Amino acid sequence: DTEVTQTPKHLVMGMTNKKSLKCEQHMGHRAMYWYKQKAKKPPELMFVYSYEKLSINESVPSRFSPECPNSSLLNLHLHALQPEDSALYLCASSQDVDRGSETQYFGPGTRLLVL
Amino acid sequence: AQKVTQAQTEISVVEKEDVTLDCVYETRDTTYYLFWYKQPPSGELVFLIRRNSFDEQNEISGRYSWNFQKSTSSFNFTITASQVVDSAVYFCALGGILTGGGNKLTFGTGTQLKVEL
Repeated sequence: DTEVTQTPKHLVMGMTNKKSLKCEQHMGHRAMYWYKQKAKKPPELMFVYSYEKLSINESVPSRFSPECPNSSLLNLHLHALQPEDSALYLCASSQDVDRGSETQYFGPGTRLLVL
Repeated sequence: AQKVTQAQTEISVVEKEDVTLDCVYETRDTTYYLFWYKQPPSGELVFLIRRNSFDEQNEISGRYSWNFQKSTSSFNFTITASQVVDSAVYFCALGGILTGGGNKLTFGTGTQLKVEL
């Protein structure tokens, strides 16, 4: 089973709102990722969690706050977003973290619209 | 630095035609991994194949085949007898390791494939 689930599928929020995106995997993977994808562009890496610890933050603004409550769950807390943050947010997981060989499995994404 | 180039932005074919999506990569690593992902309009990135730099054998999976040529740094993807359901954006990616932990995927810009009846 190579399933990564994400909720919600769609989210509309105002610039003053606080919302959270959720991601879950039950493959026993030790690394989880958040990506942002704008239309007609490839995904851009935002954060990496390795063994439930934040290992990579690709200079993401603080209005995005990741959280990894346990090895299966990954959240992305959103606060005071800007309209340019509207995008598809993808979660991914991989079995291991130390080799460039690991396949990342992606969830279906959350389409976020910031008004 | 790693780089992946997908020069074809968009390809349109008629159903049952064969189509090849090109991917050219750059890396200084002697061991590396290449991936292809499919992204249909629904948005999910679907993993198709992983190939390591030591294995230059071509691979076939149903209507899909991949041609890895180290000499030209290319990893091309062919769909035989295309179908409407193959319509999607296809990304080629190069795997690497992130300092601090985690695996980095360097994506190409993607090729939009449209298969029409």
